[in-house]
Amino acid sequence: DTGVSQDPRHKITKRGQNVTFRCDPISEHNRLYWYRQTLGQGPEFLTYFQNEAQLEKSRLLSDRFSAERPKGSFSTLEIQRTEQGDSAMYLCASSRDFYNEQFFGPGTRLTVL
Amino acid sequence: DQQVKQNSPSLSVQEGRISILNCDYTNSMFDYFLWYKKYPAEGPTFLISISSIKDKNEDGRFTVFLNKSAKHLSLHIVPSQPGDSAVYFCAASENDKIIFGKGTRLHILP
Repeated sequence: DTGVSQDPRHKITKRGQNVTFRCDPISEHNRLYWYRQTLGQGPEFLTYFQNEAQLEKSRLLSDRFSAERPKGSFSTLEIQRTEQGDSAMYLCASSRDFYNEQFFGPGTRLTVL
Repeated sequence: DQQVKQNSPSLSVQEGRISILNCDYTNSMFDYFLWYKKYPAEGPTFLISISSIKDKNEDGRFTVFLNKSAKHLSLHIVPSQPGDSAVYFCAASENDKIIFGKGTRLHILP
């Protein structure tokens, strides 16, 4: 399977704990995006990387959130001191340079108790 | 404020008929528009796109129409099939960032 993969698919955590999600993009794609989706909404942009450089961050990305893509391949999204409002589906997508179409992974569903 | 609006939360269409999903946008700087389809427990799947310099793009049963003066686009699916039942997201691109609408749930009735 050469699509975008995300791990874990589901995560249940207690408020105040830290969580980390991983995304593996399609191998020839150098752009990687993180989105958050809540019930009844479309995906909302969080941040994106071109290779290992983080080029843009949404104001939705509070200082409790950090994303990395250290070698320009996989990426991690960490949420520190989780809050109940962080409960959502976290989606990763990848694309090639100069191509608008982004290809999404299956998402990680986070539930904060 | 929402820059991409899908005003119909849901739509029901008889199998074999045409499904028309609508989308409005407010930002005239958007240069590319996309439609994604989403099944439960899966990520969105890219369906079809259109550049702002075109007014129509067709791919099999799917056609997207763009009316720039009205800031409106629509997705036509003909004929509609049971497997088309899903949530459809309209999206617009500016500077490598995609902004999504809230989605329209399409039900194809037997």
